Amino acid sequence: DIQMTQSPSSLSASVGDRVTITCRASQSISSYLNWYQQQPGKAPKLLIYAASSLQSGVPSRFSGRGSGTDFTLTISGLQPEDFATYYCQQSYSNPLTFGGGTKVEIK
Amino acid sequence: QLQLQESGPGLVKPSETLSLTCTVSGGSISSQSYYWVWIRQPPGKGLEWIGSIHYSGSTFYNPSLKSRVTISVDTSKNQFSLKLSSMTAADTALYYCARHPSGGSRWFDPWGQGTLVTVSS
Repeated sequence: DIQMTQSPSSLSASVGDRVTITCRASQSISSYLNWYQQQPGKAPKLLIYAASSLQSGVPSRFSGRGSGTDFTLTISGLQPEDFATYYCQQSYSNPLTFGGGTKVEIK
Repeated sequence: QLQLQESGPGLVKPSETLSLTCTVSGGSISSQSYYWVWIRQPPGKGLEWIGSIHYSGSTFYNPSLKSRVTISVDTSKNQFSLKLSSMTAADTALYYCARHPSGGSRWFDPWGQGTLVTVSS
């Protein structure tokens, strides 16, 4: 199985901050990497697919980069509704696996 | 707009089999382009992919659960279902249904709202 490791596991930030979350795969996954946002009590929501493609309707302050084993999700100008948990997910091979999540909290 | 809705019992006894159904509305389950998926999330923990099914009946499962999982599809009802046998407390989780493209970067979108399943006697 491909292991996905996210860092940090949690972070505190203020409204307006630029935040970067890292996801590392245990082997190369090309660009088969997706990002989700999960707000408390809600289902995850797709933000970024194929490492850097913004899902329709998602604000442009979200961006994704990377290929191979190292990926980042950046939020440029954190908004109050962005305080949530973020997950990466690889789709290079089965079983499809997720990172452990990064909780973004209010400072 | 495509919507997915999970349904099933909220409480299952240990050793019993869980049965959940996902009803798809706003679109057809009989699309060549997509697989239909079950994902779960234990309370306060991360996400685990359970398995996927194509309307043709093609399936693939997480090896960690494969011996206990069956996913099936009913195109006449626009539904797909999950059966998970020999339930234990470790299977207590929010169970989500979702969709992913058949090929390429298989992302999950949209998702159902999730249904909480508790395993307890």
